[in-house]
Amino acid sequence: NAGVTQTPKFQVLKTGQSMTLQCAQDMNHNSMYWYRQDPGMGLRLIYYSASEGTTDKGEVPNGYNVSRLNKREFSLRLESAAPSQTSVYFCASSEAEGADVGGYTFGSGTRLTVV
Amino acid sequence: GESVGLHLPTLSVQEGDNSIINCAYSNSASDYFIWYKQESGKGPQFIIDIRSNMDKRQGQRVTVLLNKTVKHLSLQIAATQPGDSAVYFCAENWNTGRRALTFGSGTRLQVQP
Repeated sequence: NAGVTQTPKFQVLKTGQSMTLQCAQDMNHNSMYWYRQDPGMGLRLIYYSASEGTTDKGEVPNGYNVSRLNKREFSLRLESAAPSQTSVYFCASSEAEGADVGGYTFGSGTRLTVV
Repeated sequence: GESVGLHLPTLSVQEGDNSIINCAYSNSASDYFIWYKQESGKGPQFIIDIRSNMDKRQGQRVTVLLNKTVKHLSLQIAATQPGDSAVYFCAENWNTGRRALTFGSGTRLQVQP
């Protein structure tokens, strides 16, 4: 099925460990995004990539790095996980680049717990 | 900074009634708005969008109203069904440098059978 695929779906890390969240889309979308969602809150933008080869910081980029590997894939890396990074992480993609962002297609999320 | 907000954290309605979910935004530079539905354990799902040059847009059983004078956005769901139970988010696109959506904190809609 076409869409956005995130792996893994669940992960438990110890404080200080590192990991990479993977995201891939098969809709030939130009733009990709990483958001985090904390309990009872909306989504906050971590990083985004308006087009292949570009990445930009969002609202809450500290503690994260990203790589736009190719047009399909956009990964999020936690170099040294902290309990404050316990959250549900969503990847999304959209056709549009530029100011006209269009609607997003979201993945099903990665639930990360840092102990 | 400016952000999107919602008036009601939880809305409970009877099956068959109409639902209205409200959202206040504070960034007058926003030029595009979207409503998303999120069911438990899933990612947000696009419902309907509206651009700032419009004040109303209709879809299947849903209508979005935009009042730029008071910076208010609403989602109306007609004949609410149990399957409409979810958290609803509004999102806005700032017509400025960051080319990504800013989301509100969400309203939970509970449909009573």
